[in-house]
Amino acid sequence: AQSVAQPEDQVNVAEGNPLTVKCTYSVSGNPYLFWYVQYPNRGLQFLLKYITGDNLVKGSYGFEAEFNKSQTSFHLKKPSALVSDSALYFCAVRDADTGTASKLTFGTGTRLQVTL
Amino acid sequence: NAGVTQTPKFRILKIGQSMTLQCTQDMNHNYMYWYRQDPGMGLKLIYYSVGAGITDKGEVPNGYNVSRSTTEDFPLRLELAAPSQTSVYFCASSYVSTSGDRETQYFGPGTRLLVL
Repeated sequence: AQSVAQPEDQVNVAEGNPLTVKCTYSVSGNPYLFWYVQYPNRGLQFLLKYITGDNLVKGSYGFEAEFNKSQTSFHLKKPSALVSDSALYFCAVRDADTGTASKLTFGTGTRLQVTL
Repeated sequence: NAGVTQTPKFRILKIGQSMTLQCTQDMNHNYMYWYRQDPGMGLKLIYYSVGAGITDKGEVPNGYNVSRSTTEDFPLRLELAAPSQTSVYFCASSYVSTSGDRETQYFGPGTRLLVL
């Protein structure tokens, strides 16, 4: 079975400070990992993904994520937060070896609040 | 491209009524999905389709039906609405192949459904 955990319901950060949104996963094979962002009353928007290759993945809006196989983590990061980054962030995973493209498992989401 | 579009944006149903949530994508994606999003619960997969004429159940299919007669359209049918179906429904699509941009799902703006 595959699963993903986002241990923080909310992350608060001041504008200009670095931010981290945590994600850990569990799969029996190799993982495909994704980050999505949801703004109020909108659908999810794709930010970045790890399929294979470089462990540091760069995505939209200055976000990046680091795949750490030994810690089974895929934390989302940004060097300098903006108020406009305030949103709900979802991590998702699927098992590349045993799963299918249709079976993406989402975390419960982390609300990021960036304040002035 | 409009991407993934959903109608209606909001609907109130009485218990026992039926309705169809519409979803259309213009990206020529082969895979399409229906999710429901409940507060604090992340996204749960209801049904998915890997191509026209092919559908399959996700995690929470009870109370719903789907069809996929064309590549573009993937309607979700609620036959006998129940309060437990109060949720936000998202349609998504992706292009799944053995190479190229794999598995990034693109989401519609959602339909908010209230069953009273």
